[in-house]
Amino acid sequence: ETGVTQSPTHLIKTRGQQVTLRCSSQSGHNTVSWYQQALGQGPQFIFQYYREEENGRGNFPPRFSGLQFPNYSSELNVNALELDDSALYLCASRRGTSSYNEQFFGPGTRLTVL
Amino acid sequence: ELKVEQNPLFLSMQEGKNYTIYCNYSTTSDRLYWYRQDPGKSLESLFVLLSNGAVKQEGRLMASLDTKARLSTLHITAAVHDLSATYFCAVDIGLDQFYFGTGTSLTVIP
Repeated sequence: ETGVTQSPTHLIKTRGQQVTLRCSSQSGHNTVSWYQQALGQGPQFIFQYYREEENGRGNFPPRFSGLQFPNYSSELNVNALELDDSALYLCASRRGTSSYNEQFFGPGTRLTVL
Repeated sequence: ELKVEQNPLFLSMQEGKNYTIYCNYSTTSDRLYWYRQDPGKSLESLFVLLSNGAVKQEGRLMASLDTKARLSTLHITAAVHDLSATYFCAVDIGLDQFYFGTGTSLTVIP
């Protein structure tokens, strides 16, 4: 157990809908990153939040957005869902923004878009 | 375009044998991570390599980093069935972004 929790564990949506995924960071961790892992592939970096602001983003369209709250929990929002958005979504937390500080992954949310 | 490539993609080995997984990356970085993932599960951190020449060992696994060659290796010694999983390397390019490799699916056969 890493102390990082995510909800829900599984979710089924249809194309065009919107979804919100949640992540609770490990205690004391103020940086959270989100990743998308399609079946059979490695995780792809979506974005990172530090002190409630986005401070790094991968190659994902604007319909992928996020929030970080004062308690360092975080949300990933995806609008206008597409079939290709079906994946395991992982969040990871760490202390500060230095990558010398190890990041810890949550168990993931498996999203299926029909 | 940044590339992080692992080989082999699939590895089937007998218990007791040794093997090495390779991770090549296409940009300058001195920070590389290895993770293990069991089917349907999240990522478990195995090793954090933070400098050229870094070598770390845990049980039957040993990881090394050569930043000049842009190469990391994960060596498996005397494999056991419990090591069956998918292994990922991930490169930190210094922009608070991690790029993961393609993964190596390891099956250890009794």
